[in-house]
Amino acid sequence: DAMVIQNPRYQVTQFGKPVTLSCSQTLNHNVMYWYQQKSSQAPKLLFHYYDKDFNNEADTPDNFQSRRPNTSFCFLDIRSPGLGDAAMYLCATSSDRGQETQYFGPGTRLLVL
Amino acid sequence: SQQGEEDPQALSIQEGENATMNCSYKTSINNLQWYRQNSGRGLVHLILIRSNEREKHSGRLRVTLDTSKKSSSLLITASRAADTASYFCATDPSNTGKLIFGQGTTLQVKP
Repeated sequence: DAMVIQNPRYQVTQFGKPVTLSCSQTLNHNVMYWYQQKSSQAPKLLFHYYDKDFNNEADTPDNFQSRRPNTSFCFLDIRSPGLGDAAMYLCATSSDRGQETQYFGPGTRLLVL
Repeated sequence: SQQGEEDPQALSIQEGENATMNCSYKTSINNLQWYRQNSGRGLVHLILIRSNEREKHSGRLRVTLDTSKKSSSLLITASRAADTASYFCATDPSNTGKLIFGQGTTLQVKP
């Protein structure tokens, strides 16, 4: 089945230790998104790739970076995680931007010690 | 600022009852989407309603959209315990794929 896969499902890191979360998709979608969702809150968009074109949200901290080496894979790098970065990170894809359904992965829950 | 507000924040009903959730938004939209999230999981798309539609059905789901009031409602009929989840409305006001989610309604369906 075509799907969005996130690894790992749970990630524990130490304060200040870089961490990378990965997302892959078999839908061959052009657009990939990363959302941050803190406990009992709505998902908040961090950035997205439209093909190779990177689009950062204005309020996304510089601590968060992303890479998309090919259509199928997208990575979220947190350079120096702080306690406030503990959250669920959701990857999503859509075939195009605007007026399109987004397909979400199961998420990676990040814990920062 | 938030685009979507949802109410109620939490809803608890018995199996077989209907559940209604409401969403209000601030700016004009091309469409509005509803997503479900089971505890600790990703979001699942339920239904998309376009701005020129007033009502849409999908199985036990019925969504309405009133663009004059900038509001939408999601009705789940004959609820089941498996419907227990959080439900989010989402809009894309800039039509760029940037979804802005409401705060969500947490639904508990008791068997």
